[in-house]
Amino acid sequence: GQNIDQPTEMTATEGAIVQINCTYQTSGFNGLFWYQQHAGEAPTFLSYNVLDGLEEKGRFSSFLSRSKGYSYLLLKELQMKDSASYLCAVRDGDYKLSFGAGTTVTVRA
Amino acid sequence: GAGVSQSPSNKVTEKGKDVELRCDPISGHTALYWYRQSLGQGLEFLIYFQGNSAPDKSGLPSDRFSAERTGGSVSTLTIQRTQQEDSAVYLCASSMGGLAASKNIQYFGAGTRLSVL
Repeated sequence: GQNIDQPTEMTATEGAIVQINCTYQTSGFNGLFWYQQHAGEAPTFLSYNVLDGLEEKGRFSSFLSRSKGYSYLLLKELQMKDSASYLCAVRDGDYKLSFGAGTTVTVRA
Repeated sequence: GAGVSQSPSNKVTEKGKDVELRCDPISGHTALYWYRQSLGQGLEFLIYFQGNSAPDKSGLPSDRFSAERTGGSVSTLTIQRTQQEDSAVYLCASSMGGLAASKNIQYFGAGTRLSVL
């Protein structure tokens, strides 16, 4: 089966940086995705990595190391609206995503 | 439409009743997915459609669950004889289809929250 681990909760201060780690053990690998989900809303796509290295998109960056089965999502200059759940997902074949349980990030003033 | 649309947003039913959940994908997206999200757990894959065909139904938890897709667009997930353990948020996603990860980003609807009493 697939095993995708990420911390359950993280708390940070407005303006700070938070790094959400994700480790995975899957039968195959065809991309790692990060989604943001506010309570009661649809998960929204943030980033994907298919090759090793860092992908930067404004305040959000995502890193992948395939040899280590490891990724992180870096949120910079935190804003109150960044309080949400962040979902790590691995595409292990042609289409299906396997998700971690999500990390709830709380941003405090 | 502009995004994935699901209805109803909330459904309360009695144990033993049948329910139908609807998903309207993004126009032009050939691939459609159903997931289930239970409290404290990750999204659980249920079924995948490419066009009107479902090549992967492996995630359906029992034969009480079925899904269909018509016209390569709208999909309906049906749960027969609902049980309390079916209570969850049912999420639908769609994507352009294709093998490259860049072509297959899944876009989600807001889900249907099902409560079985």
